Amino acid sequence: EDKVVQSPLSLVVHEGDTVTLNCSYEVTNFRSLLWYKQEKKAPTFLFMLTSSGIEKKSGRLSSILDKKELFSILNITATQTGDSAIYLCAVGIYNQGGKLIFGQGTELSVKP
Amino acid sequence: DTEVTQTPKHLVMGMTNKKSLKCEQHMGHRAMYWYKQKAKKPPELMFVYSYEKLSINESVPSRFSPECPNSSLLNLHLHALQPEDSALYLCASSQDQWGNQETQYFGPGTRLLVL
Repeated sequence: EDKVVQSPLSLVVHEGDTVTLNCSYEVTNFRSLLWYKQEKKAPTFLFMLTSSGIEKKSGRLSSILDKKELFSILNITATQTGDSAIYLCAVGIYNQGGKLIFGQGTELSVKP
Repeated sequence: DTEVTQTPKHLVMGMTNKKSLKCEQHMGHRAMYWYKQKAKKPPELMFVYSYEKLSINESVPSRFSPECPNSSLLNLHLHALQPEDSALYLCASSQDQWGNQETQYFGPGTRLLVL
């Protein structure tokens, strides 16, 4: 059975800290891994990763994929209270027609 | 522009009511999706439309009826719902269902409460 597991499930840090969120997967026919940020409502797209070892970066956020060890990390440096959200990892699979397998999410709380 | 819009934002309905949720995107995407999300859980796929045809139905009860009138619009018709159907209903779209550009962009959702 295809599975995506995120850790930790929740995390509390202080502003300025650096955090690393983990996503591991066991799927057949891996196509891509996506990271989303979800605040009150819609998941907002952050990154899509398809190749191992190539870091994607957007401001203070960065992510990398390891297809050999079947995991990805999402790093957030110099955290701000606005980073407080649930971070969702999802894996796309070939021949599943756009279906994404989501992890449970990591709830990040950044305290002032 | 990666905007997906949904209406209404909130909906309260009784178990005998009929209502519809609407979703719209103008990105030229040809795949559109309905998800259901309960509190503290990840989104669960319900339906996928590809080129205006139903492509995937994840064994969703018939009280949920999707419709894709054109490539920009997606509806979800609701009838005789149960209280356990209360959830956030998310619409998403992607350029293509089967290709490599399958990044899905989500709308803000409709928060549904069934009494």
